[in-house]
Amino acid sequence: KAGVTQTPRYLIKTRGQQVTLSCSPISGHRSVSWYQQTPGQGLQFLFEYFSETQRNKGNFPGRFSGRQFSNSRSEMNVSTLELGDSALYLCASSERTSGISDTQYFGPGTRLTVL
Amino acid sequence: GQQVMQIPQYQHVQEGEDFTTYCNSSTTLSNIQWYKQRPGGHPVFLIQLVKSGEVKKQKRLTFQFGEAKKNSSLHITATQTTDVGTYFCADPNDMRFGAGTRLTVKP
Repeated sequence: KAGVTQTPRYLIKTRGQQVTLSCSPISGHRSVSWYQQTPGQGLQFLFEYFSETQRNKGNFPGRFSGRQFSNSRSEMNVSTLELGDSALYLCASSERTSGISDTQYFGPGTRLTVL
Repeated sequence: GQQVMQIPQYQHVQEGEDFTTYCNSSTTLSNIQWYKQRPGGHPVFLIQLVKSGEVKKQKRLTFQFGEAKKNSSLHITATQTTDVGTYFCADPNDMRFGAGTRLTVKP
């Protein structure tokens, strides 16, 4: 099976702009989670989508939003970009079956730089 | 803030030395996962521990889950340069990752 793909891989934006990142999960995986990774804060959970519904949400401002489509592909949007939003944004997919937590398979990430 | 604490933040070892990273939670965990992220790469799943006191081995890597299910450790025996990277523990039920331990190995 193909792995998790994320587009674009690199992005440069200026403060105040908005950005949309895309993630295609592994075929058959219905859960997609998004993380922000920075040197100072580590891996921070943004949100999880399962079957087009947001199931979990981390502690991020409303400028960060996401959605999931019927084919499980997901997008996340960041509006009114700030310098502090510069980070590696990682998407992870899992089967999210009931019971024991599933393995998360991470994509290569999108490196966002805000100038 | 993170509910899963991980130490040390950095560890530099000579090739052949052992390495251990520790993870502690303020609450009892249902299970815990470990991931490795190579420099410039993305986190890759290593293992999941579920049972109290569980010990699992993967070649030179030994993973332990505490009896109270509040702590876990990853021990690497006789490190190699291929072990370089950042090791994360994670509470998959809360989607929380530890801060990670960055391992560097001097050949």
